[in-house]
This record gives sequence, structure tokens and C-alpha cells, in this order.
Amino acid sequence: NAGVTQTPKFRVLKTGQSMTLLCAQDMNHEYMYWYRQDPGMGLRLIHYSVGEGTTAKGEVPDGYNVSRLKKQNFLLGLESAAPSQTSVYFCASSSYPGQAYEQYFGPGTRLTVT
Amino acid sequence: ELKVEQNPLFLSMQEGKNYTIYCNYSTTSDRLYWYRQDPGKSLESLFVLLSNGAVKQEGRLMASLDTKARLSTLHITAAVHDLSATYFCAGRDGGSQGNLIFGKGTKLSVKP
Repeated sequence: NAGVTQTPKFRVLKTGQSMTLLCAQDMNHEYMYWYRQDPGMGLRLIHYSVGEGTTAKGEVPDGYNVSRLKKQNFLLGLESAAPSQTSVYFCASSSYPGQAYEQYFGPGTRLTVT
Repeated sequence: ELKVEQNPLFLSMQEGKNYTIYCNYSTTSDRLYWYRQDPGKSLESLFVLLSNGAVKQEGRLMASLDTKARLSTLHITAAVHDLSATYFCAGRDGGSQGNLIFGKGTKLSVKP
């Protein structure tokens, strides 16, 4: 049982390049999330999904797109990377909120945009 | 919209001392979460507090929730170096699919 995994772990991009971050979970969770973590800012929600085929905007969605084609996967895309997107990105998943709604986090992806 | 504030943001403690981290939130939140993050690592769930008066303990850490005061506390008893980490609290925003809103974190450093 791997829990939540993220690919890649590290990446360096040049301004204007694009990339996709992959999140996978094997806990059969309905809900999945993408956060970014910046020094002194805590975690801020980028986008989330409440089930296969659904996505919604979080607090800081600009410059990102997401897709949830399969229940176990949640992809985060950067179409044209900017230095302001240098951050650590965390994916999380949780079961249906009728329960404790605890979120389980992946190991993170450290992205640098130069 | 739910806002979550932690204090202090930085805490330097001596081993063996006790201290409390405070988490205030602005509107009703039916659940309160505490997470731990070690440097360069992911977030690890510590406690989930589901109701007013809830108290949970794990080792030297004890978390409590007062929904009337909109306050949760994380109490550290007889700190040891291994507790050095950043601690986050998070509330559930009932107005937006119940997403979690995180505080900025408290960086705890326990010195011998």
C-alpha cells in the first residue's frame, strides 16, 4: 500500500516551459487536492477534485490546470511556467467527508523555474 | 471564509520544558486538524478533533478543541529534540466543499 505518490520529486524548468505533475493514490479515495507550499505561507490550495471527471478551483488556481481522468490519478499542469511558480507542490487525498475527512499527503515535488 | 491563525510562528524551547501552540480560526469549523512536517518532508497527520471539548494525546503532544472560543491548542510536555519540526493546524471550510484551510505553521526548535 503505497498511499499517495508524486512524480517527479524534483524539476527545474525555464520560464515559458510546460510540465505535468502526476499524483497517484491507491486508497480508493474520492477527493484529491493539489497544494503549493511557500516559505512562511503555509499550504495553499490550487485545485481539487471531488471525484473522477471533476475538478474545481482552490485559492490560487491561476497558471495551473488539472485533470482527473481516473479516480486514482490527479494531474497538475503548468502550461507556461513562471518564476513565481517556484514552490514545493503537495498532492493529497481523502475519503468522503462524511468520515473524519483526514487528508493524506504525498512526498512533494520541488519545482524551480528560472 | 474561514481564516486560520497560529501563534507563535517560531518557537525555540529547551528540552524538558512545556509549551503551547495556539490555533485560532475565524468562523465555524466542524473539524480541526494538526499536522507535523519535518524539514524537506511531507505532512504527517497528528490529530483530528471532531467536536467541542475533544482532547487527544500522543506521547508528549496533546491537542484540544474549544469550538465556542474557536481555538485549538497543541500542548508539548517535557520537550525533546525529536519534536523539532513545523506544526500546522487546519480547519475545514464548510462553505467550499469542506476544503482544509491551513495556518502558516509553527516552527519548533528544541535545544538541549
